Amino acid sequence: SQTIHQWPATLVQPVGSPLSLECTVEGTSNPNLYWYRQAAGRGLQLLFYSVGIGQISSEVPQNLSASRPQDRQFILSSKKLLLSDSGFYLCAWSPGGPNRYNEQFFGPGTRLTVL
Amino acid sequence: GNSVTQMEGPVTLSEEAFLTINCTYTATGYPSLFWYVQYPGEGLQLLLKATKADDKGSNKGFEATYRKETTSFHLEKGSVQVSDSAVYFCARHRRQEQGSNYQLIWGAGTKLIIKP
Repeated sequence: SQTIHQWPATLVQPVGSPLSLECTVEGTSNPNLYWYRQAAGRGLQLLFYSVGIGQISSEVPQNLSASRPQDRQFILSSKKLLLSDSGFYLCAWSPGGPNRYNEQFFGPGTRLTVL
Repeated sequence: GNSVTQMEGPVTLSEEAFLTINCTYTATGYPSLFWYVQYPGEGLQLLLKATKADDKGSNKGFEATYRKETTSFHLEKGSVQVSDSAVYFCARHRRQEQGSNYQLIWGAGTKLIIKP
């Protein structure tokens, strides 16, 4: 069966510090991968998605970036955090290839607080 | 249009009450439709889905029917429990012609509070 992991679970960082959040998927190959942000009490905002290694599409211009160094690894980064980067970050995957219409499966999330 | 609209929350009900959370969508065609649930402090879980018109998705006592005539996918449950308290998200697939068929378009979420 497939599983998705995110870490860390919680993170408190000062403004201006760097960020690295990691997401890994097990039990599947060539998944589509997604990073979402959820502000407190709000809906989901798609930040990045990837259909393959090294292929990143950005949905919202911001000071965040994403990378996919391996097939099942997706990393969200920032060089300098802003207060507005606080939120709940969710990684998700969906089957690639001919099953591309399938649903997305979510990780447990990372709670980021920027002070 | 290209959107998913959910009823605003919070929705507050007593235990064993009947639940309806409305969801309507705009689309040219018949995209797959989904309901996800998010319990406090957790990620989203797929609750149910429907892939074509008139399909009924069901899980854990929840149901939703894909209504193409009214472009709706309302979530229902006959008797809610305190443990159903969560945020519920409606979503649909984007169409292939937009070049992003693997993406989902999300509703804003509806917070459900069940009181004992």
